[in-house]
Amino acid sequence: DVKVTQSSRYLVKRTGEKVFLECVQDMDHENMFWYRQDPGLGLRLIYFSYDVKMKEKGDIPEGYSVSREKKERFSLILESASTNQTSMYLCASSLLTSSYGETQYFGPGTRLLVL
Amino acid sequence: AQKVTQAQTEISVVEKEDVTLDCVYETRDTTYYLFWYKQPPSGELVFLIRRNSFDEQNEISGRYSWNFQKSTSSFNFTITASQVVDSAVYFCALSDQPTDSWGKLQFGAGTQVVVTP
Repeated sequence: DVKVTQSSRYLVKRTGEKVFLECVQDMDHENMFWYRQDPGLGLRLIYFSYDVKMKEKGDIPEGYSVSREKKERFSLILESASTNQTSMYLCASSLLTSSYGETQYFGPGTRLLVL
Repeated sequence: AQKVTQAQTEISVVEKEDVTLDCVYETRDTTYYLFWYKQPPSGELVFLIRRNSFDEQNEISGRYSWNFQKSTSSFNFTITASQVVDSAVYFCALSDQPTDSWGKLQFGAGTQVVVTP
């Protein structure tokens, strides 16, 4: 079974703090993704990575950065947390093949509250 | 423009009733993939089904069934004889844009299903 884990289920931070969210997958997937989920908006892609040290902006990258130093680990960084970044953050991974329709497998999510 | 539309925000049913979730998508590509995911209260998205655009056969898996109709750009999901454990948010998603996709998914807003005993 694919296993995607996230470092925290719940996180409370203060405005201006630097926040690290970590994601680890154990299936040797090339692709990794970070989404945020807000009510009524579904999931929106923040950043994704298709290889170590490679990253691509998603639909809402502003205020975020990412790091992928190892294939199995993908970190999302909030350089200076703001209250509008209070959200559910979901990490996912998938194979990178010639078919772009590979299934993404998700972690349990991190509920971040920024005060 | 939203590429995946789930018009139903919330559906409430009594146990054993059937429930159908609508999903309408928009794409110019001839090859694309559609997905359904379930998100129970625990938060983790659980993969349910993946369908490519060339396979219009309906699929049944236990109490779940999917109706894919390219003519109406719809990929609807039916839960037969619903149970309390079916209470969750269900997301429909689309993967297209082969030139720069890297397997990105575009999600609908989700439909909350509430099944009461």
